[in-house]
Amino acid sequence: AQSVTQPDIHITVSEGASLELRCNYSYGATPYLFWYVQSPGQGLQLLLKYFSGDTLVQGIKGFEAEFKRSQSSFNLRKPSVHWSDAAEYFCAVGAPGDYKLSFGAGTTVTVRA
Amino acid sequence: SQTIHQWPATLVQPVGSPLSLECTVEGTSNPNLYWYRQAAGRGLQLLFYSVGIGQISSEVPQNLSASRPQDRQFILSSKKLLLSDSGFYLCAWRASGNTIYFGEGSWLTVV
Repeated sequence: AQSVTQPDIHITVSEGASLELRCNYSYGATPYLFWYVQSPGQGLQLLLKYFSGDTLVQGIKGFEAEFKRSQSSFNLRKPSVHWSDAAEYFCAVGAPGDYKLSFGAGTTVTVRA
Repeated sequence: SQTIHQWPATLVQPVGSPLSLECTVEGTSNPNLYWYRQAAGRGLQLLFYSVGIGQISSEVPQNLSASRPQDRQFILSSKKLLLSDSGFYLCAWRASGNTIYFGEGSWLTVV
């Protein structure tokens, strides 16, 4: 079964600085990979996804993620964060043909002025 | 386009009372549907998923049950709530390629 690890529980970043959130997965083949964002008290919104092809994936809100098979990673990046990016971010992995996704524990991002 | 709605958004219930959370999906047919829970400060826990009417799979033993009376309707229930049932409940549906989309969530506080 697949699994996901998000090593960072909480990250604080200054507004305008770059952001990178780490995600490591465990799966024998090429998985489906996702990043979601959750603002306080709201549901999860899909930021981006990777199924195959170009390993650098562009998403909404200026986010991108890079799939690195050799490192079993799918890290999320944003070059310049805005105060509205303060939220919790979840990485998820799915296996082709499986009904379910496995979610990481999440990383909370705080943006300071 | 597809949309997902769940209600109520917020619920405060006494211990031992029943629960019913509803979720509907529009703009698609025969979707896979899911109920997740987020307890305070914790990640997402998959509670139930359904691949069709009347077909429910439970992921963890608990005080909750789920039903799917119609193709695009998914209901989370309990006969008697426990304090530990408090949390944020999320309904979701699965699109192509395993992409899962979430509803707005329902806050349940058991007092």
